[in-house]
Amino acid sequence: GENVEQHPSTLSVQEGDSAVIKCTYSDSASNYFPWYKQELGKRPQLIIDIRSNVGEKKDQRIAVTLNKTAKHFSLHITETQPEDSAVYFCAASPTTGRRALTFGSGTRLQVQP
Amino acid sequence: GAVVSQHPSWVICKSGTSVKIECRSLDFQATTMFWYRQFPKQSLMLMATSNEGSKATYEQGVEKDKFLINHASLTLSTLTVTSAHPEDSSFYICSVPTEGNQPQHFGDGTRLSIL
Repeated sequence: GENVEQHPSTLSVQEGDSAVIKCTYSDSASNYFPWYKQELGKRPQLIIDIRSNVGEKKDQRIAVTLNKTAKHFSLHITETQPEDSAVYFCAASPTTGRRALTFGSGTRLQVQP
Repeated sequence: GAVVSQHPSWVICKSGTSVKIECRSLDFQATTMFWYRQFPKQSLMLMATSNEGSKATYEQGVEKDKFLINHASLTLSTLTVTSAHPEDSSFYICSVPTEGNQPQHFGDGTRLSIL
């Protein structure tokens, strides 16, 4: 089955700096890669996603890059703000058949004011 | 508005009690729903795939006799934790995949605490 690894487990940045979180996956059948932000006690919130036919996607301060050959994808947050502080999860799944998500282990991001 | 409704949001009960959690798809029919479990400070782990009109598919290590799943209609899946014990205390969350390349929709989750 799929195995998703995520690094780093914790990340502390100063407000205004950039933050980068990296993930690798193992199953070449995976072609959908979402990123979630989770606040304590709440459900994961989708912040951006990318599909295997695209190498990069950007939405305001958030961007995701995908290298399908190397099986890794990354989340980039620019101009970080204190409200960006949360736990971020990457995930991978196929888009056909059983489309269950396999999650990374999570990154706790702290943005220092 | 929410497209997936999950109830209850919070349960505290005694050891040995059985607890039922409901997951409803509000806007579309769902032949498949997923149940995840998240222990404190850990990631979400897939427990099982709920299949409408047929048996659920359980992940390795998840006891099917302990975590009963019923998906009797295209809008409702239920997870029953039978004879719950303190080690079953966790955050249980369902999700509903939509067609093809659409993202999954998560319920709000159920925090289960077994005393």
